[in-house]
Amino acid sequence: EAGVAQSPRYKIIEKRQSVAFWCNPISGHATLYWYQQILGQGPKLLIQFQNNGVVDDSQLPKDRFSAERLKGVDSTLKIQPAKLEDSAVYLCASSLNRSPDTEAFFGQGTRLTVV
Amino acid sequence: AQSVTQLDSQVPVFEEAPVELRCNYSSSVSVYLFWYVQYPNQGLQLLLKYLSGSTLVKGINGFEAEFNKSQTSFHLRKPSVHISDTAEYFCAVSGKTDSNYQLIWGAGTKLIIKP
Repeated sequence: EAGVAQSPRYKIIEKRQSVAFWCNPISGHATLYWYQQILGQGPKLLIQFQNNGVVDDSQLPKDRFSAERLKGVDSTLKIQPAKLEDSAVYLCASSLNRSPDTEAFFGQGTRLTVV
Repeated sequence: AQSVTQLDSQVPVFEEAPVELRCNYSSSVSVYLFWYVQYPNQGLQLLLKYLSGSTLVKGINGFEAEFNKSQTSFHLRKPSVHISDTAEYFCAVSGKTDSNYQLIWGAGTKLIIKP
């Protein structure tokens, strides 16, 4: 079974530039998550999709971050404009459904450095 | 609000020695508890989970964890570690926010195996 695919693996940008990350979840997984993991901290949920609808985006900084999952499969996360404090690893995960006992499968992440 | 505390940021241990990684959570309601592992340059992977029933949960790679409701703890143990266990370990609790369940994560514990 193919895992969660993310690209790019690494990205370095200057502050105020824009950047986009892509995620392809495991086939058949209805739920997709984007997390931000700052060095030394656990992952923080940015947004959760159920198929192509947003379930939870309460911790997404909507003035600069946006995400979409138009066809209920792939997803993109965009930051515009980037700030220094956005430097982190961005993790995408997927699960079969939203049930709290369902395992989430994670991609390898995209390490973003904002200089 | 629910929270997860991993008491040690790093745990050094000799190869073949036992190890315990500590995790405490705060919650006023029933919870589901998880341990994930992140090997170097890889994504997060589920080690084990507690949903209900027996308080001793066995996971992959010889790890086990014990749910202690009175102490609100979910410590991870392995009787004999191997160099391949070098990784960062994250404890997480599935908590309800409004109408959705969300994983609340600890800050992680780096397990350092000394030869």
